[in-house]
Amino acid sequence: EVQLVESGGGLVQPGGSLRLSCAASGFTFEYYSMSWVRQAPGKGLEWVSVISGNGASSYYTDSVKARFIISRDNSKSTLFLQMNRLRAEDTAVYFCAKGRGTRWPATSDDSWGQGTLVTVSS
Amino acid sequence: EIVLTQSPATLSLSPGERATLSCRASQSVGTSLAWYQQKPGQAPRLLIYDASNRATGIPARFSGSGSGTDFTLTISSLEPEDIAVYYCQQRTNWPPFTFGQGTRLEIK
Repeated sequence: EVQLVESGGGLVQPGGSLRLSCAASGFTFEYYSMSWVRQAPGKGLEWVSVISGNGASSYYTDSVKARFIISRDNSKSTLFLQMNRLRAEDTAVYFCAKGRGTRWPATSDDSWGQGTLVTVSS
Repeated sequence: EIVLTQSPATLSLSPGERATLSCRASQSVGTSLAWYQQKPGQAPRLLIYDASNRATGIPARFSGSGSGTDFTLTISSLEPEDIAVYYCQQRTNWPPFTFGQGTRLEIK
């Protein structure tokens, strides 16, 4: 059974940093692209970033480019999101998601974690 | 950036009725469109991928259709557990992998 468990969320001041982790199990992690998707309180889904299975390719939505870094450790089946220079508008639940199939990029995400809440406030 | 517009914003139907949800793209996305269901307090769940393929474990009452710019998610006979917000997402023109704003489905 695929399991994705996010951690690392919390309260951080504007301008601060936070590192999210997503521990994966139940599948061969290195074969699949992984994404981060966020959801601000009471709002819809917003795609944040994606990384290929081997970690060689990664992409970001414009609002986080140059502030967030996606990475992965395939030896530990773990996905990361390093978030720097955080802003109030980054406040959201952050979900990690597994790409469906081994195609790059995947055309959908077929497994999702339960999310971790990031609150940016002074 | 491709914009996905979902309609209606809210849909209120009775159990057993047919639900038709629409997702329109600002330019063609071929068939690279997925539908997700998000119940209150839960993570999204993949329902439909590549416009018309049901994901693993999804009941047959859910179906997807369309290509290009116009897509439809149909729930043939509503069950009370179908209360959720439904999102479409495109993965043709990226980044970003844009989502629609969602359709909230209420059961009368």
